[in-house]
This record gives sequence, structure tokens and C-alpha cells, in this order.
Amino acid sequence: DIQMTQSPSSLSASVGDRVTITCQASQDIRKNLNWYQHKPGKAPKLLIYDASRLETGVPSKFSGSGSGTDFSFTISSLQPEDIGRYYCQQYDNLPFSFGPGTKVDIK
Amino acid sequence: QVQLQQSGPGLVKPSQTLSLTCAISGDSVSSNRAAWNWIRQSPSRGLEWLGRTYYRSKWYNHYAPSVKSRITINPDTSKNQFSLQLNSVIPEDTAVYYCARGTTGAFDIWGQGTMVTVSS
Repeated sequence: DIQMTQSPSSLSASVGDRVTITCQASQDIRKNLNWYQHKPGKAPKLLIYDASRLETGVPSKFSGSGSGTDFSFTISSLQPEDIGRYYCQQYDNLPFSFGPGTKVDIK
Repeated sequence: QVQLQQSGPGLVKPSQTLSLTCAISGDSVSSNRAAWNWIRQSPSRGLEWLGRTYYRSKWYNHYAPSVKSRITINPDTSKNQFSLQLNSVIPEDTAVYYCARGTTGAFDIWGQGTMVTVSS
């Protein structure tokens, strides 16, 4: 099975800050990686697919990059509505697997 | 607009069967472009993909090894829905369960989630 790790596990930043989360896969997953935002009491929301493609309707302040084993996710200007937990997920191999998540807060 | 509506009990006794249903509107369980997934979230295991069913000229199922001996995901074409059955549940199966549509590996539409507690 492919193991996914994320760092940091949590972060606190000011409104307007640029925030970056990294995700690492235990083996080469090419660009088969997605990013989700999860807020308490709601279902996860797909933000980025295929490592860098923005899902329809998602603000362009969210972006993703990377391939192989190392990926990153960026919020260009953090806003209060961006508070939540962010997960990466690989779909290169079954079983699909998620990272442990990064909790994002406002300082 | 595609929507998924989950239903099923929120409390299951240990050793019994967890059963949930996900009704699809705006798409078809028999779609040749989508797969229909169950995912759960718990504090101890995080987000965990459980399995999927999909149709590509015939029906396919894939299950996570962690639950493979206990899980069944079935499509119901007459009601345009799919179901999850997890047998012999234990307290560690306590989680929020989600159904989700998968398109090329991304889960783009999710159900509202069902908190299932395994307890006597």
C-alpha cells in the first residue's frame, strides 16, 4: 500500500499570508494526487486534482504542484473561510489513500 | 447537479452488520465514467477509503485490504443507489461514513456523512 505523509500537521497563519503544505508519497505516484479541504460537520471538498488542476468553481488562490513522490499545496492569501483541515490523496494504486491532514488556523 | 443522499442507522451493536445506502440524483450508478465509493473518517484512522463499485460493460468492485473480508458494496440500478455492508463490526469501526462519486480517482461529489457508533 502507498503511504502518504503531510507536513506540517498543523499551522497558524495571519490573514493574507501565503500558506504551503507538503505531501509525500512512499513511492512514485506520477501526478495521481488530489487535494481536499475539510471543514467540521461538512463533507470534504475537492480542490485540486491531478496534482495541479483546479476543480471547477474553486478559487484560484488555491494551487498545487509536484510529481513523483513530492507535492505541495498553496493558499496564496489566507482568509478566515479557509480554516479547516487539508488532505492529500493518491489514486495511482489501490487502495486509494489519504495523508493524515494539515490543520490550518488563523493566528 | 449531482447529489448523494445517505441513509442508515447511526448505532450498530458489536458483531452485527453496518448497513448504509447512498441515493444518487443527477447521475447514474451505471455511468461508464464514474465509480461509487465509500470512505470513512475516524480520529484514529483519519480518512480511509473502503471500496468502490462501478460499471464498465460489467460490474466491478474493489475493496481496501483492511476491510476486504467484511465488506460488500452493491449497486441497485432500480433505485439508482448503492449500498455499504460491513459485517462483524467492532468499536474501532466507529466513524463518520461518506459515500462519494469518483471520477478518474478524484472524489468530486460527497454525501452528507453518517456518524456510525458501534456500541452495545
